[in-house]
Amino acid sequence: RKEVEQDPGPFNVPEGATVAFNCTYSNSASQSFFWYRQDCRKEPKLLMSVYSSGNEDGRFTAQLNRASQYISLLIRDSKLSDSATYLCVAKRGSNQFYFGTGTSLTVIP
Amino acid sequence: DAGVIQSPRHEVTEMGQEVTLRCKPISGHNSLFWYRQTMMRGLELLIYFNNNVPIDDSGMPEDRFSAKMPNASFSTLKIQPSEPRDSAVYFCASRSNRGPLVSQPQHFGDGTRLSIL
Repeated sequence: RKEVEQDPGPFNVPEGATVAFNCTYSNSASQSFFWYRQDCRKEPKLLMSVYSSGNEDGRFTAQLNRASQYISLLIRDSKLSDSATYLCVAKRGSNQFYFGTGTSLTVIP
Repeated sequence: DAGVIQSPRHEVTEMGQEVTLRCKPISGHNSLFWYRQTMMRGLELLIYFNNNVPIDDSGMPEDRFSAKMPNASFSTLKIQPSEPRDSAVYFCASRSNRGPLVSQPQHFGDGTRLSIL
């Protein structure tokens, strides 16, 4: 079983829509979580860290549910520029980062 | 601030040739990671270094792959001999694992697109 699993999508949503991605992790020892964004033919870039109490950054909200071992990313008022692949990451130990395979989002005009 | 710098950006070579990928981490970061990304397998960790010392190389596919970090500002990933199945995008990432409770994320370089013919 993979450490981190994501629905690959694709998610195709109209501009202005709200879209949510979920990600599950298999190892309860995972301590820290992140969402990265990767544009086509580019490197992954940190979108946001995920804190235990949940956190928001503009139109983006991240939640962590340790009991069920999943994290989520909510994007409100989708923009065309949000089109990308979103990678879920779980970290345990000092340097063990586990990436999901990514969820593809296309925002349609 | 300069980010993680990788070179070359693109490499096309024939199978059997030696390939060397280079990475300069962000100054002050003490952990460095090499990843490979393909459509089929996603992002795979190959090896990571902490304070220039290789810690986990379990992701290195086989003996044809080797990585070094001679100092805090430079690392190489070498493939010898290269094979067509090595074609992928290779990313280097760095982070600082010093500091208190906050977990520092990784920062990625632009990647090297490697094609083995």
